[in-house]
Amino acid sequence: EADIYQTPRYLVIGTGKKITLECSQTMGHDKMYWYQQDPGMELHLIHYSYGVNSTEKGDLSSESTVSRIRTEHFPLTLESARPSHTSQYLCASRTGVTTEAFFGQGTRLTVV
Amino acid sequence: AQSVSQHNHHVILSEAASLELGCNYSYGGTVNLFWYVQYPGQHLQLLLKYFSGDPLVKGIKGFEAEFIKSKFSFNLRKPSVQWSDTAEYFCAVNAAGNKLTFGGGTRVLVKP
Repeated sequence: EADIYQTPRYLVIGTGKKITLECSQTMGHDKMYWYQQDPGMELHLIHYSYGVNSTEKGDLSSESTVSRIRTEHFPLTLESARPSHTSQYLCASRTGVTTEAFFGQGTRLTVV
Repeated sequence: AQSVSQHNHHVILSEAASLELGCNYSYGGTVNLFWYVQYPGQHLQLLLKYFSGDPLVKGIKGFEAEFIKSKFSFNLRKPSVQWSDTAEYFCAVNAAGNKLTFGGGTRVLVKP
């Protein structure tokens, strides 16, 4: 069983609010990822990190930001939520490029 | 930039039928390839992976995949599916750097 946790699981929030989606892993993995997935659609990489104080933008442009101050923690922040941000956000981590990525349960975000 | 294409968006088949899902990637160098599965209501989990050696890799639950470098393909197969194989299947590639890019996914429905 993978030890990667995302909170909250579900979030309904009003337009203009600031939100932070939490992702933590206890496996000591150096690489962490955020994906955005609409229902029944593909996973889009929006951010990744290969270690503390390193973050990179992914393939899909996103208004969200991330930080990696600690190895185990990779939060994603939206400064001003909009209905277009409604989606599922998946966090993953792994150790190396040949190893599998472990996924969290996801956060389903709805902005009204 | 690396990209992954999965040709079939939806596949419907009966129990005991054979399954093959196509996956092609675009990157000319060394790649690491993965197949993930997402059962309804569950998080993504690894089916199998390839990073070197025998191009025919075997995974969990009777799945296997063949890496054909000349065709930039990594197709997933299972000789005889079960109702419990109903899920969404994602191909992923790690080529340059630390990015892990997923395909669009194939939703498989196995009729009992």
